[in-house]
Formats: sequence, structure tokens, C-alpha cells
Amino acid sequence: QQQVKQSPQSLIVQKGGISIINCAYENTAFDYFPWYQQFPGKGPALLIAIRPDVSEKKEGRFTISFNKSAKQFSLHIMDSQPGDSATYFCAAGGTSYGKLTFGQGTILTVHP
Amino acid sequence: EAQVTQNPRYLITVTGKKLTVTCSQNMNHEYMSWYRQDPGLGLRQIYYSMNVEVTDKGDVPEGYKVSRKEKRNFPLILESPSPNQTSLYFCASSFLAGGPRGEQYFGPGTRLTVT
Repeated sequence: QQQVKQSPQSLIVQKGGISIINCAYENTAFDYFPWYQQFPGKGPALLIAIRPDVSEKKEGRFTISFNKSAKQFSLHIMDSQPGDSATYFCAAGGTSYGKLTFGQGTILTVHP
Repeated sequence: EAQVTQNPRYLITVTGKKLTVTCSQNMNHEYMSWYRQDPGLGLRQIYYSMNVEVTDKGDVPEGYKVSRKEKRNFPLILESPSPNQTSLYFCASSFLAGGPRGEQYFGPGTRLTVT
């Protein structure tokens, strides 16, 4: 079973701080790495995604950093806000692989 | 409105009583999938379907069945539910299985309790 390992399981950050969530994957055939955000009582929704041909992608306060040689990628949330409090899932997959494999999830709490 | 719908949203049942959770999408997506979400285990794929009449096992298929007779519908069947199937279930759909067109749209979830 191809795994995606995510850490930490939970994270508490003060408003305005930086939240960092890390993921590691095993399958070198993966070529698509999305992050999903899930609010309580809702289904996950795509937040941001990266392909392995770039080392970083930024959308607003959210940045994915990608290290192909280490088979690791991370989500950075700058200037974290209480509204960012949610569960975050990393995932890995690819068109040829046929499915997405999700990490274990990180519960982020941003204190005002 | 583009969406994935699931029914029921909440279900409490007893061991062994067959049940079906329905899933429907209105985005003409080829790919549909079922996941279960459990604390500390993340989202684990149960079954997926690449197209009508094409289904395959995910990572945790034991105790579940699916069918894909129409493009828009992908029901999840538990023929003899057991307490270890108590979980939060999500249906998802996308144009493709992965890659940039593989953005998965999730339904609102079904909270299942088996006593």
C-alpha cells in the first residue's frame, strides 16, 4: 500500500503566526500533490496543488514547498487567521496512477 | 449549482441490516470514489469507478459493495454492516482520476453508526 505520511496530527498557532504541515510520500511515480481543507461538518475541498516540476507554489497566504529528492512536501500558511482553523489533508497521486492517496490529516487551531 | 449529494446524512443502524448510501453528481464527471474518514487515519479510499460499469477496489474494500450503472450515481452498499464500519463516509467525483483535472469534489458526508 502506497503511503503518504503527514505530521503533525494537531497544531495550535496564534493569530498572525506561521502554520507548517509536512508530508512525505513513497511512490516516485506520483506527479500531483494537492492539499485539501476541511471545515467541521463539511467535505474536504481543494486548497492548492503542485506538480513536481516546480519547487514552490504560492496562492495568497498559502504556499506549497516541494522537495523531490527527499520525497517531501509541505504547506505553509502565513499570517494564520482564526478562519483558517480546519483539518488539512495532503494527498499524492497522478493521472497514470489512477487514484489519490491521502495523509492522516492535521487539525489546525488558530487562536485569536 | 455543481455539487455532489449524499443521502442520508446521518444513519444509525444495527449489525447485519443491509443499507445503501446514495451518491449523485451533476458535473458529468467520469471518476467517482468513496472514502471513509476515521480520527488519526485520514481519508481512506473504499472503492472507485473510472466510468460507467468500471469499478475497482481501493485500500479498504472489505465489507462494502458498489455499482456504477449511470454516470451520475455511485451508491455504496453495506450488505451486513458491523460496528467497525461506524465512520464518516464521503463520496467524491472528478473529471479524471488524478493530475490537475483530478480535483476531487466531495459530498457533505454521511455519518454512519452501527450498533
